[in-house]
Amino acid sequence: IAGITQAPTSQILAAGRRMTLRCTQDMRHNAMYWYRQDLGLGLRLIHYSNTAGTTGKGEVPDGYSVSRANTDDFPLTLASAVPSQTSVYFCASSPTGISTGELFFGEGSRLTVL
Amino acid sequence: EDKVVQSPLSLVVHEGDTVTLNCSYEVTNFRSLLWYKQEKKAPTFLFMLTSSGIEKKSGRLSSILDKKELFSILNITATQTGDSAIYLCAVESYNQGGKLIFGQGTELSVKP
Repeated sequence: IAGITQAPTSQILAAGRRMTLRCTQDMRHNAMYWYRQDLGLGLRLIHYSNTAGTTGKGEVPDGYSVSRANTDDFPLTLASAVPSQTSVYFCASSPTGISTGELFFGEGSRLTVL
Repeated sequence: EDKVVQSPLSLVVHEGDTVTLNCSYEVTNFRSLLWYKQEKKAPTFLFMLTSSGIEKKSGRLSSILDKKELFSILNITATQTGDSAIYLCAVESYNQGGKLIFGQGTELSVKP
């Protein structure tokens, strides 16, 4: 089934540890995004990539990094996790670099940093 | 600063009721407004609105955009328990390179 796959589904992590959230899509979409969702704050953009080989910062990029080595994969790395990064993380994609508007979302990764 | 504000933040209704969810925005170079429904996990797309006054409709759900007053509403008629979800409003701006700015969401609970 075509779509976006995120892993892990959930993770508990000690503060200071490094963590990579994986995201893979098989729709050949050019643009990919990472959002975090927190109660009362909605979805906030962390990083994005309009096409393979390029990335950009979103609204809340600090403490996170991304790479886009190919079209399909867009991993999000927390170099040294802190409790404020406890959140639900959603990877999303859209067909074109300049979004047509509609995003396709993964199922989310729930991360708890203790 | 671009922003999107939804109201109410939460709402409890009974089956059969009609609800109206609100979304107001302040965005430079507006391109489109989108509504998503989020149940357990991933948000799913409902509507994209680009023009004022043109209603988009899908079954019991409908939405309209007012670009002069900078808001949109999402109506759900004859609500069912399956409508219980978080409804997200997002705005796309040409300035933001197509990235979406989301509101806080409205959590709707439909009781039997």
